[in-house]
Amino acid sequence: EDQVTQSPEALRLQEGESSSLNCSYTVSGLRGLFWYRQDPGKGPEFLFTLYSAGEEKEKERLKATLTKKESFLHITAPKPEDSATYLCAVQALTGGFKTIFGAGTRLFVKA
Amino acid sequence: DTGVSQDPRHKITKRGQNVTFRCDPISEHNRLYWYRQTLGQGPEFLTYFQNEAQLEKSRLLSDRFSAERPKGSFSTLEIQRTEQGDSAMYLCASSGGQGSDEQYFGPGTRLTVT
Repeated sequence: EDQVTQSPEALRLQEGESSSLNCSYTVSGLRGLFWYRQDPGKGPEFLFTLYSAGEEKEKERLKATLTKKESFLHITAPKPEDSATYLCAVQALTGGFKTIFGAGTRLFVKA
Repeated sequence: DTGVSQDPRHKITKRGQNVTFRCDPISEHNRLYWYRQTLGQGPEFLTYFQNEAQLEKSRLLSDRFSAERPKGSFSTLEIQRTEQGDSAMYLCASSGGQGSDEQYFGPGTRLTVT
């Protein structure tokens, strides 16, 4: 069964303190891995799509990387406005476009 | 186009009642998804449509849940005989890129069953 596990569950950082979030996945052939950001009371907001091992994507202070078993979301010099829940999701080649989400990592950045 | 919209934003209902939610996707998107999210969890896949065809439905979903997407435009999600365990945020998303499936989410409908 396709699964996504995110760690840590919560992460507290000081402003400017870089760190990484982990997404481990088990899927029968990866169609795509997605990162989303979700603010309280709102729907998730798309950040990145990764398709194959070795691929990297960047946007402002965020960088997503992908291996055959996991993905990392690196946050460089975070600011308080980066505080949110970061969600990882996968689609399998054999699953059509069914999308499986992890439970998310809640990031708190203190000024 | 202002994005994905959902109606209502909040719904309070008594146990045993039926409820229906509506989702209007981004107009050029052909795929539409429904998810359920509870506090501290990620979105849980319920079902998705490609145009008007419902292509997959979660095995976790009981027969009390049904979704439609007539004419491949807006979609409705109905829950019959609601239970307290149905209390959650119901999210709709749409996508439509060729080979790219980033999903754009609506603001959600928060359901409270009393």
